[in-house]
Amino acid sequence: AQKITQTQPGMFVQEKEAVTLDCTYDTSDPSYGLFWYKQPSSGEMIFLIYQGSYDQQNATEGRYSLNFQKARKSANLVISASQLGDSAMYFCAMREPTKTSYDKVIFGPGTSLSVIP
Amino acid sequence: DAGITQSPRHKVTETGTPVTLRCHQTENHRYMYWYRQDPGHGLRLIHYSYGVKDTDKGEVSDGYSVSRSKTEDFLLTLESATSSQTSVYFCAISRGTSGETGRRFFGPGTRLTVL
Repeated sequence: AQKITQTQPGMFVQEKEAVTLDCTYDTSDPSYGLFWYKQPSSGEMIFLIYQGSYDQQNATEGRYSLNFQKARKSANLVISASQLGDSAMYFCAMREPTKTSYDKVIFGPGTSLSVIP
Repeated sequence: DAGITQSPRHKVTETGTPVTLRCHQTENHRYMYWYRQDPGHGLRLIHYSYGVKDTDKGEVSDGYSVSRSKTEDFLLTLESATSSQTSVYFCAISRGTSGETGRRFFGPGTRLTVL
């Protein structure tokens, strides 16, 4: 079963507008972490933001914020004031604890964002 | 910059040939990972290592083997490449720090094409 769902394969946003990229997850463990990564056309994977399941406040990093709705199991990425350089693939990921010291991380299929001038 | 390099960065090979991809890190991290990236699947874990000579399978390990003889190097081998192994391969490390446990630091990737 898919544990990370990103229902928007592709999205468009006008430059300077805000955009929300959806991510829902599935876990029965109370302790987990959520991540967003960006992959521009150059191919590198860039970490954007992290939210722990026990964090009381939504995470923010500059123009990025994570809209964490625990009861709905959603962790949407909000990008404010979109820039042309935001055009990229965006991946949501979840860390689940394991019985060993290895931290298991699962990635979603990604959302392609295109920023229109 | 996590000091991770991958070689080669691009490779084209033929079905049935062996292929080895190398990941090198400069920071002495214990955990290293190999992922493959395919459209519609995101990144999927192939194998990981938790120390020298200590490795384990990920979710898509069939057709792949790994070795780690030194802390800094993690090798991924396709014993007999198939077209289904055409993909982009990422090496990653985790730093094991608290607060963002699970965060991965990725290498630049290797684009492998199997004809």
